[in-house]
Amino acid sequence: QQPVQSPQAVILREGEDAVINCSSSKALYSVHWYRQKHGEAPVFLMILLKGGEQKGHDKISASFNEKKQQSSLYLTASQLSYSGTYFCGTLEYGNKLVFGAGTILRVKS
Amino acid sequence: DTAVSQTPKYLVTQMGNDKSIKCEQNLGHDTMYWYKQDSKKFLKIMFSYNNKELIINETVPNRFSPKSPDKAHLNLHINSLELGDSAVYFCASSRRGSANTGELFFGEGSRLTVL
Repeated sequence: QQPVQSPQAVILREGEDAVINCSSSKALYSVHWYRQKHGEAPVFLMILLKGGEQKGHDKISASFNEKKQQSSLYLTASQLSYSGTYFCGTLEYGNKLVFGAGTILRVKS
Repeated sequence: DTAVSQTPKYLVTQMGNDKSIKCEQNLGHDTMYWYKQDSKKFLKIMFSYNNKELIINETVPNRFSPKSPDKAHLNLHINSLELGDSAVYFCASSRRGSANTGELFFGEGSRLTVL
């Protein structure tokens, strides 16, 4: 069963912050975040493991709440280059990475 | 030098035809995948191979047949194409077992349009 992402879409101005949420009805051992720019392949951002620390990637960071089975991706002081679709993924049996429906992020100047 | 490469990048074909997409990775990874991305951008796993062995086989019509001649290659053959097969097909690879600790490397995608 795929994780649920929210919001479906968000529009920001440069410099604004955004939060993208990912939740699952199943127990999570890891959450993976990817970004896909228009017309390109998804690119790995980070992985959060159960019991691990909050991760960061430039001004993009993420947290993982195992008890709530949720992860959040934080984009700080957004740049035009942050525009794209963000996917969270959760691991299922057999090393199967199942992605959420994606959150479209558009940063305007 | 491209890490995961797919060919062709674009296919336009008629319903009922058969087509193949090829994928090669030069990363030395053991595991390769096929994902389908539909018009709503939903990324759905179809198949996974680990060192030429089929590991994941989702509920995909049996018109889709993957083949892995060696661990660096994973091809996808589709018979009797239907309109609903129109999508972008992504190949990806990862180190063995690293879906749990690392990343998937995706190819650029192959956009299939069935008319």
